[in-house]
Amino acid sequence: DIVMTQSPATLSVSPGERATLFCRASQSVSSNLAWYQQKPGQAPRLLIYGTSTRATGIPVRFSGRGSGTEFTLTISSLQSEDFAVYYCQQYNDWPRFGQGTKVEIK
Amino acid sequence: QVQLQESGPGLVKPSQTLSLTCTVSGGSVNSGSYYWTWIRQPAGKGLEWIGRIYASGSTNYNPSLKSRVTISVDKSENQFSLKLSSVTAADTAVYYCARTTVAGAVVDFWGQGTLVTVSS
Repeated sequence: DIVMTQSPATLSVSPGERATLFCRASQSVSSNLAWYQQKPGQAPRLLIYGTSTRATGIPVRFSGRGSGTEFTLTISSLQSEDFAVYYCQQYNDWPRFGQGTKVEIK
Repeated sequence: QVQLQESGPGLVKPSQTLSLTCTVSGGSVNSGSYYWTWIRQPAGKGLEWIGRIYASGSTNYNPSLKSRVTISVDKSENQFSLKLSSVTAADTAVYYCARTTVAGAVVDFWGQGTLVTVSS
């Protein structure tokens, strides 16, 4: 089984600052990596797929990079609506999510 | 715009079978471009993929749940369903139905989720 590990568990950031979230796979997932955003009481929302392709309607301040086992999601300038939990998900094998990174207001 | 809506009992007794239905609007479960998927999330925890079904009826299940899961599709009603047998408290979670791409298991549309509690 491919295990997805996200870090940090919690990231405290001030509005307007840059946030970088990390996702590591226990073995290569090629570029088959997606990112989702989840706000309290809501379903997740797809942000990024194929490591770096933004989903429809996702602002350009969200960007993804990486390949193989190491991936990042960067939010270039945090807006108030970006404070949420973010999950990575690999789909190279049976789909599995990471445990999430909570981005909170500093 | 595709919309998905879960329905079913919010409370299930231990050892019984959890049954949920997802009604799809704005799209067709008969589409060859998508899988129709169930995902769950225990309170305060992460997301777990349960399984998916294709228009043909072909299914894939999470190996850890495979012995207890059945997913089916009803094209006439544009719905798909989840059955999870022999439930325990560990199966208490918000259950989401979702649409995933065939090209890759990426979830592009989610239902709002429904909380199912397993308790006597």
